[in-house]
Amino acid sequence: ETGVTQSPTHLIKTRGQQVTLRCSSQSGHNTVSWYQQALGQGPQFIFQYYREEENGRGNFPPRFSGLQFPNYSSELNVNALELDDSALYLCASSSSNTDTQYFGPGTRLTVL
Amino acid sequence: GENVEQHPSTLSVQEGDSAVIKCTYSDSASNYFPWYKQELGKGPQLIIDIRSNVGEKKDQRIAVTLNKTAKHFSLHITETQPEDSAVYFCAASLTNTGNQFYFGTGTSLTVIP
Repeated sequence: ETGVTQSPTHLIKTRGQQVTLRCSSQSGHNTVSWYQQALGQGPQFIFQYYREEENGRGNFPPRFSGLQFPNYSSELNVNALELDDSALYLCASSSSNTDTQYFGPGTRLTVL
Repeated sequence: GENVEQHPSTLSVQEGDSAVIKCTYSDSASNYFPWYKQELGKGPQLIIDIRSNVGEKKDQRIAVTLNKTAKHFSLHITETQPEDSAVYFCAASLTNTGNQFYFGTGTSLTVIP
């Protein structure tokens, strides 16, 4: 039982719209990482938040942005949605004194 | 940046046989190597991990080996069971740079009863 939760489970948007995905980290974890997993591929790192600050970013454009709140929950925002943004978005939480990341069930985003 | 390659992409074994999945990485500075199991419609679940100061780690039917010189690590599952059927991902990271995980492309394992 990882304790990481994500909402919503599924989401359908149209091209050009904006979307917000949410993640609640496991109790005691202060670090949240977001990944994009296209169908049939491994997860790709988007960015990581540690104590409400961005702490590393992958090769994603600025229209992918995030927030972390004082309770360590996090949001992923994507503006100007494109068809290629259709994917499973995964959130993973970890604590600053371990290397292990625990994943949530993901949000399946479909862009039409 | 780091590049992780994973083979094979699909693997079918008879129940009770062993399964081996192999990964290579490019950045010799990577020092943490987790393996995840992902079932349909679920997020990845950590099954075992290994750090660069260890050559082998075992947990019941699952073992991981690491060859730092060759930049190669492998997952070994013995006495496979139908419930082992899933997609398995390897990953590599450098833990003192924000712990970004670089994943392989996955291996779809099917255990035939």
